[in-house]
Amino acid sequence: QVQLVESGGGVVQPGRSLRLSCEASGFTFSTAGLNWVRQAPGKGLEWVAVISYDATQKFYADSVKGRFTISRDNSKNTLSLQMNSLRAEDTAMYFCARDNPYCINNNCYFPGAIDVWGQGTMVTVSS
Amino acid sequence: SYDLTQPPSVSVSPGQTASITCSGDKLGDKYVCWYQQKPGQSPVLVIFQDIKRPSGIPERFSGSNSGNSATLTISGTQAMDEADYYCQAWDNSTAIFGTGTTVTVL
Repeated sequence: QVQLVESGGGVVQPGRSLRLSCEASGFTFSTAGLNWVRQAPGKGLEWVAVISYDATQKFYADSVKGRFTISRDNSKNTLSLQMNSLRAEDTAMYFCARDNPYCINNNCYFPGAIDVWGQGTMVTVSS
Repeated sequence: SYDLTQPPSVSVSPGQTASITCSGDKLGDKYVCWYQQKPGQSPVLVIFQDIKRPSGIPERFSGSNSGNSATLTISGTQAMDEADYYCQAWDNSTAIFGTGTTVTVL
């Protein structure tokens, strides 16, 4: 079955870096766009970034632009999120999630629906 | 920045209809998705492209979108539908999530 498994979360001091990974299985990884979405404790969902299937398109939320970098390795079915200059407000559960393009009359548009989500990995930024 | 506003909570009796609104400027010009999230679990896509249901999602879930608002309707609400619901749309290649609505089945 389609599965996304995140790893790499933990406790980190403000200003430091952390790298999250997401291992995918059960679908053709190299043809799917992928997102990172986060959720602070007790709060709503916040989108972080999305990357196209071939990594030619990458988009970021303003709150992380210039600090976070999304990347992928299609040979290893792995998505990554490099997080630098971490702040207390980055504390959240981070979900890896697959993009499913909107298709109309055989034309498909990226990004689309976020149709499969991992279980998440917790990141805590604290001194 | 673009905002999507939802009511914080909706209460419904079992078997009745629950409607959750999502408001945003010219939202009808965008595609809307809806996600269900139960406590301690990851979100699940229940509606995409305004009105479509992914496989495995019960027919009691339906969506609409026009003007400045989208609506998720749960017909014949069941106790298992008690959850947080989020709308979502893309604006200039940025995903925007709504503020979230807690549905309580009384």
